[in-house]
Amino acid sequence: DARVTQTPRDKVTEMGQEVTMRCQPILGHNTVFWYRQTMMQGLELLAYFRNRAPLDDSGMPKDRFSAEMPDATLATLKIQPSEPRDSAVYFCASGGVTGFHYGYTFGSGTRLTVV
Amino acid sequence: DQQVKQNSPSLSVQEGRISILNCDYTNSMFDYFLWYKKYPAEGPTFLISISSIKDKNEDGRFTVFLNKSAKHLSLHIVPSQPGDSAVYFCAASDSGTYKYIFGTGTRLKVLA
Repeated sequence: DARVTQTPRDKVTEMGQEVTMRCQPILGHNTVFWYRQTMMQGLELLAYFRNRAPLDDSGMPKDRFSAEMPDATLATLKIQPSEPRDSAVYFCASGGVTGFHYGYTFGSGTRLTVV
Repeated sequence: DQQVKQNSPSLSVQEGRISILNCDYTNSMFDYFLWYKKYPAEGPTFLISISSIKDKNEDGRFTVFLNKSAKHLSLHIVPSQPGDSAVYFCAASDSGTYKYIFGTGTRLKVLA
């Protein structure tokens, strides 16, 4: 059963530290998204890639967040420096040619706590 | 500015009855809509979709209705089962992009 793999599952870090979250999309999927779940905003779109090219990262705080796809099997989301308000669950999702109509597949998320 | 709104944070329904979850959107360019279900400690999973050329789509116990003039969609679950207890997100997109904008979610509790 194909799945999107996110690591780490949980991360606790101190304010000011760098945090890197990783995502392995489903093999063959060419669209990759990063979402953040918060109580107030629901699922916020942070950035997304198509064929590894960034299409939109307008949802990210540019001064501290960065997203990359160094290759087709890895997407990364980095926060430097981290702040307590970044505490949330971060989801990666991927999709192939049918993803737009039949839903993208989400990973289980990385729960980030910044203290 | 929230382009997709789910104004009911929570809903409780008796087992066997109908659950109706609502979603409103503001962007008239949105032409495709999805519903996702999310259990605790898991990622959201796709449930059902509808395009703007339709006003209804059914899949088993789940039916989504779209009212374009009101910019409103709803998800009906009949009959509701305890296993349906989860958070439900609606999402909207315009087919000129690949991205979906999600609402804040509605927590459904189906009481046995």
